[in-house]
Amino acid sequence: SQQGEEDPQALSIQEGENATMNCSYKTSINNLQWYRQNSGRGLVHLILIRSNEREKHSGRLRVTLDTSKKSSSLLITASRAADTASYFCATDVQEYGNKLVFGAGTILRVKS
Amino acid sequence: DAEITQSPRHKITETGRQVTLACHQTWNHNNMFWYRQDLGHGLRLIHYSYGVQDTNKGEVSDGYSVSRSNTEDLPLTLESAASSQTSVYFCASRVTLNSPLHFGNGTRLTVT
Repeated sequence: SQQGEEDPQALSIQEGENATMNCSYKTSINNLQWYRQNSGRGLVHLILIRSNEREKHSGRLRVTLDTSKKSSSLLITASRAADTASYFCATDVQEYGNKLVFGAGTILRVKS
Repeated sequence: DAEITQSPRHKITETGRQVTLACHQTWNHNNMFWYRQDLGHGLRLIHYSYGVQDTNKGEVSDGYSVSRSNTEDLPLTLESAASSQTSVYFCASRVTLNSPLHFGNGTRLTVT
C-alpha cells in the first residue's frame, strides 16, 4: 500500500490564485519531499522538510508538516500557467530501508 | 553539469522478448533506483542499488533484474517482456539516503 497519498487528485485554478495540495502518510518518517512532474518529463525535486521541522519556504512554495497528524501540505502562491504539472509527495522512511515512497500525485492545472 | 540520462526514450517490443533499459548518471551517486509509473499508481519501486555490486528488490520486482558493475550505470532488464510491463520507467539517483532524488526523463516502453 502507498505510504503517501495526495489530495485532491486534480485541481484547476485561475492564474494568480493559490493552490494547496495535501499529503497524508502512515508511518514515522525521516523527511518528506515534494516533486513536480511536467508532462513527458522526469520528476524534479521542489522541497524537503525534515521530521523535526514544521514549515519551510522556497520562493512561492510553502510546505508544512504535521507529524502528529501524519500530513503535509504544499501551497503555491500566486500561481502561474507554468505551474501546471503533477505534484507528488514522497516519504523517506527508515523502516522501508531508506527508500523514497511516492504517492499517486495531484494534477494541477492553472488557467490563464 | 552532472545529469542522469535514460535510453532509449521510447521502445516498442514484443511479448516474450528480453529488453534492457539503460540508465547513466554523472553525479557519482552511490544510490540508484528504478521506478515505474502507471496511471493511478504513482511511482512504484522496482529495484535499487546502494553501490557497486549491490542490488535490492523493490515492491514490484517480479520479471525485472538489475546489475551494478560501476557507479555510473544501473541497467534494468526485463527477462521476458509481458504486456503488464507496458509503462513509463524512471531511473533516479541520490548522493545520500534522506537526500533529494535526481530523475532521468524516462523511457516509455510498450509491450505488444
